[in-house]
Amino acid sequence: AQSVAQPEDQVNVAEGNPLTVKCTYSVSGNPYLFWYVQYPNRGLQFLLKYITGDNLVKGSYGFEAEFNKSQTSFHLKKPSALVSDSALYFCAVRDTGGGNKLTFGTGTQLKVEL
Amino acid sequence: DGGITQSPKYLFRKEGQNVTLSCEQNLNHDAMYWYRQDPGQGLRLIYYSQIVNDFQKGDIAEGYSVSREKKESFPLTVTSAQKNPTAFYLCASTPAAGTNQPQHFGDGTRLSIL
Repeated sequence: AQSVAQPEDQVNVAEGNPLTVKCTYSVSGNPYLFWYVQYPNRGLQFLLKYITGDNLVKGSYGFEAEFNKSQTSFHLKKPSALVSDSALYFCAVRDTGGGNKLTFGTGTQLKVEL
Repeated sequence: DGGITQSPKYLFRKEGQNVTLSCEQNLNHDAMYWYRQDPGQGLRLIYYSQIVNDFQKGDIAEGYSVSREKKESFPLTVTSAQKNPTAFYLCASTPAAGTNQPQHFGDGTRLSIL
């Protein structure tokens, strides 16, 4: 069975500083990985995905993620954080059983302060 | 604009009552999903449907039921058998079950017990 771990419940960063939100995964076969963002009382918004190819994936709103197969990680990054980036971030891996189902991590609350 | 509409935004359930959450999409997507979100637990899959008139149980289907009579609609019923229904419920869809396309999410229904 596949799984996703987001080891940090909360990440605090100052505006203008780089941010990293960590994600590690466990899956048999090739991993298909996703990052989503959720604002309060809203649904999830897709940020980026890794299917195959370059290990550095660029996504929406200036976010990018680095896929590392040897470390089974898919960390989300942004060079310069904004206060408006404050939200709940979820990493997800596609289930190997098909049906395009996703297994989600428990989420990381990002707080960007002035 | 295409998207997923969930209604109502807030719902209250009385003891022993069944309630139905609506999910409608105009994206022409084949696959639809229902998730439950609890604080600190991420999203857990309740039911999913890959095509009209077909659906499968997810990880936490007990106490819930669904139907998929139309491509654009995937209502979720929370039955009286679900003893802890208080949660945020999210509906999602993808173009087809076998692709790596990201899931699109509605803005959720928050269910509470009276």
